[in-house]
Amino acid sequence: SQQGEEDPQALSIQEGENATMNCSYKTSINNLQWYRQNSGRGLVHLILIRSNEREKHSGRLRVTLDTSKKSSSLLITASRAADTASYFCATDEIKAAGNKLTFGGGTRVLVKP
Amino acid sequence: GAVVSQHPSWVICKSGTSVKIECRSLDFQATTMFWYRQFPKQSLMLMATSNEGSKATYEQGVEKDKFLINHASLTLSTLTVTSAHPEDSSFYICSARGGGGNVYEQYFGPGTRLTVT
Repeated sequence: SQQGEEDPQALSIQEGENATMNCSYKTSINNLQWYRQNSGRGLVHLILIRSNEREKHSGRLRVTLDTSKKSSSLLITASRAADTASYFCATDEIKAAGNKLTFGGGTRVLVKP
Repeated sequence: GAVVSQHPSWVICKSGTSVKIECRSLDFQATTMFWYRQFPKQSLMLMATSNEGSKATYEQGVEKDKFLINHASLTLSTLTVTSAHPEDSSFYICSARGGGGNVYEQYFGPGTRLTVT
């Protein structure tokens, strides 16, 4: 089952603009992670934010986490055509049976040159 | 960084045959491996979790007799799709956890595209 819901489902922007996508989840988590996937390829890990962190930066990426609202956002600044991909949030849920990552539905981002 | 490989990267098989997909952690020992399935333009759905030397834990709705998972060593897990049907055509991705100092991070393989004709 999917834990996270992402919005928007698709996003089309011009090169140089910022792209923001949001992820909401339902249960308690250890951390939340963002991944990128180019069409038909494997996942690339972008950033991990722990449940006790509120914001994290990595290059042109900025991730926020609001555990009270059970939501996270990913901001890509100054987007490039190479950023065109699907972006997924994944929650590392606290489970008695052992932690596991559960993925959101993803946001398909198209950056037009 | 930790590397996970999958073999084959793509496979075409006939309906009714079985297909085995291998997932290897190349430079670390994976205490836990996960298998995901991804249909076109959809998200990854967790199929099962396997710990080395024990039986896999399957997610609700995943047939354990159809998707056989073996995690015989700390560096290898296999997924066998038995009696494959066209509806099993999908992108199968494994991931491994246990490497390095970050116990929360999962390392993903590049995926295997299965087409059943």
